Amino acid sequence: AQKITQTQPGMFVQEKEAVTLDCTYDTSDQSYGLFWYKQPSSGEMIFLIYQGSYDEQNATEGRYSLNFQKARKSANLVISASQLGDSAMYFCAMRDLEYGNKLVFGAGTILRVKS
Amino acid sequence: GAVVSQHPSRVICKSGTSVKIECRSLDFQATTMFWYRQFPKQSLMLMATSNEGSKATYEQGVEKDKFLINHASLTLSTLTVTSAHPEDSSFYICSAVRLAGGRSTDTQYFGPGTRLTVL
Repeated sequence: AQKITQTQPGMFVQEKEAVTLDCTYDTSDQSYGLFWYKQPSSGEMIFLIYQGSYDEQNATEGRYSLNFQKARKSANLVISASQLGDSAMYFCAMRDLEYGNKLVFGAGTILRVKS
Repeated sequence: GAVVSQHPSRVICKSGTSVKIECRSLDFQATTMFWYRQFPKQSLMLMATSNEGSKATYEQGVEKDKFLINHASLTLSTLTVTSAHPEDSSFYICSAVRLAGGRSTDTQYFGPGTRLTVL
């Protein structure tokens, strides 16, 4: 069965600094996708970044980058130049391409950006 | 990014009543939508997969007669919580899958969520 592990319940980062949110996954499948979503206090889930299991390069989207280490089964999210508006819950999720578009979510990490 | 709406954003109802929540993909068609439930400070729990033109697929432990799902069109799925009770109080979130031509890049876009409180 697929599993996503986020070991950091909460993180603090100073404004303008970079922060890494950890995510490890477990799957026996070769074809899968990894996602990061941001959930602010309003509750909406905001798509941040995607990494496919066959993608050779790490995904980047603006200040977000995904440090994909396939052999270690990790997909850490790096946020550069943190802003106060980055304070939110962050979820790592995995999709098994053999089972359509169902996502399995990690427990989440609450990030607080300090001024 | 793609836009998904949910209505209502917040609902308070009496125990025993039914509540309908709508999920719409506003700028794309979605043959597949998902319904999730989220308790405070916890992760999202998938309840069911809503398929346009066919019956929903429920996850293990989710009562299909309690949570009725109808995917009436390529842009609309509804979740009806029947005979709601206080334990059904939760944050319900839908998502719609936007196809990107290649399955590997299909992305789920989420609605803003509906907070249900059953008194």
